[in-house]
Amino acid sequence: QVQLVQSGAEVKQPGASVKVSCKTSGYTFTSHYMHWVRQAPGHGLEWMGLINPRSGSTRESEKFQGRLSMTRDTSTRTVYMELFSLGSEDTAMYYCARSYGESYYGAFDVWGQGTMVTVSS
Amino acid sequence: EIVLTQSPGSLSLSPGERATLSCRARQTLTSNYLAWYQQKPGQAPRLLIYDASSRATGIPDRFSGSGSGTDFTLTISRLEPEDFAVYYCQQYNNSPWTFGQGTKVEIK
Repeated sequence: QVQLVQSGAEVKQPGASVKVSCKTSGYTFTSHYMHWVRQAPGHGLEWMGLINPRSGSTRESEKFQGRLSMTRDTSTRTVYMELFSLGSEDTAMYYCARSYGESYYGAFDVWGQGTMVTVSS
Repeated sequence: EIVLTQSPGSLSLSPGERATLSCRARQTLTSNYLAWYQQKPGQAPRLLIYDASSRATGIPDRFSGSGSGTDFTLTISRLEPEDFAVYYCQQYNNSPWTFGQGTKVEIK
C-alpha cells in the first residue's frame, strides 16, 4: 500500500536549520507531486511548498521563500524539506502529503505521520 | 492568496445527528478544487472529499460535499462516535494552496 514515512522528531536551537525526510513506497514516485504542510501546536494547517519528484522543480509559499529548500532522491524514493534560520515560531508538526492523481492541482490523498520540530534554546 | 473562512468554529452535536459545515472562499474557485479533511488528536489529516463533491477512497457515504464557486458545504448525515474531530477545508485551485481555520465537531 501507499506509505509516506517521515524522519523522527528534532530539537533545534534558534538560528539553526532542520532537514526532514519523507520516504515513499507503494506507488510510482515520479508520478505525484509532494507537498509540505506544517501545523503549530493548537493551530491549523499551513501549506509550505511542493516539489515535482520527476523534475525536481519546486514552488514555495512566499512566506518561506529564501528559507525553505525541497529536494528529492529518486534512487531512494525520498523527498526532503530543509528549513533555515529557525525561530520559535517554527515549532510545529511538519507533514509531507502526496498530491492525488498526476495533476499539479490535486488534493492531498496520503499523508506522512508527521515530524515534530521544536525550536528552543 | 485565497482566504477560506469556515463556520461555525465549533459544533456541539449528539451521535446520530446531522452535521453541516460551511467553507466560504473570498475568491471564486473556478475549477471547484476544494477538499475536506478530518483530523483527530495526534493524527495526520485524512482526505474525505476532493473536487468539492467526490468522496475519497474508503470514505463512508454518510460524508458528502457540495457547493461551487465560493460556497461549499460538508455534510455528515448521521454522526458516528468516530466522527468527532476537527474538519478543514482546503483550496487547490490557485497557488498558494490554503486551508480554512477548521471546525471542531464535539460531542454534546
